[in-house]
Amino acid sequence: GAGVSQSPSNKVTEKGKDVELRCDPISGHTALYWYRQSLGQGLEFLIYFQGNSAPDKSGLPSDRFSAERTGGSVSTLTIQRTQQEDSAVYLCASSPGQARNEQFFGPGTRLTVL
Amino acid sequence: GDSVTQMEGPVTLSEEAFLTINCTYTATGYPSLFWYVQYPGEGLQLLLKATKADDKGSNKGFEATYRKETTSFHLEKGSVQVSDSAVYFCALRNTGFQKLVFGTGTRLLVSP
Repeated sequence: GAGVSQSPSNKVTEKGKDVELRCDPISGHTALYWYRQSLGQGLEFLIYFQGNSAPDKSGLPSDRFSAERTGGSVSTLTIQRTQQEDSAVYLCASSPGQARNEQFFGPGTRLTVL
Repeated sequence: GDSVTQMEGPVTLSEEAFLTINCTYTATGYPSLFWYVQYPGEGLQLLLKATKADDKGSNKGFEATYRKETTSFHLEKGSVQVSDSAVYFCALRNTGFQKLVFGTGTRLLVSP
């Protein structure tokens, strides 16, 4: 079956522009996660969705970052007024939603802010 | 807060050598522990996991044992192959939380 998909695979933007990153989780997975992988910070958690609500937003680095999930499926991560330090690979993962279940990761979106 | 520490890489081995990648953790409570692998050009994949003390996770010839007394979850393989070349991440998920906390990753390079 289809895995987690993310789009675009690569995004180059100019400092100060807004960007939207999309994640399509595995069908039926109720839990969705965003992580960021960067050279300086390693792999960091950003936000967790259960259904359409986000009980844990503790990893969002600033109020320029926001995310939403609609219909319990697709999620969009939005970064406003991008900065060079936002350059990273943004990873999305999904899981069936029950405790201790494996998180399945997508291929990531590589964001470069010039 | 919770954290995971992994040995620095890269780890360079010849084919059929024994592999150990060290991982230690700091966490309150009783976390579940994981090893994820990222092959070149691919996404993160779960390699193995252990959910309580003394559990041994195993997959594809890799093993790791959850040692609460030493707060460790070292990854081992008896005979590595060139195809094992990848970046390996140790991670934990603490009780009551859904997020994974990752180590910095260890790159493994296996030569023929």
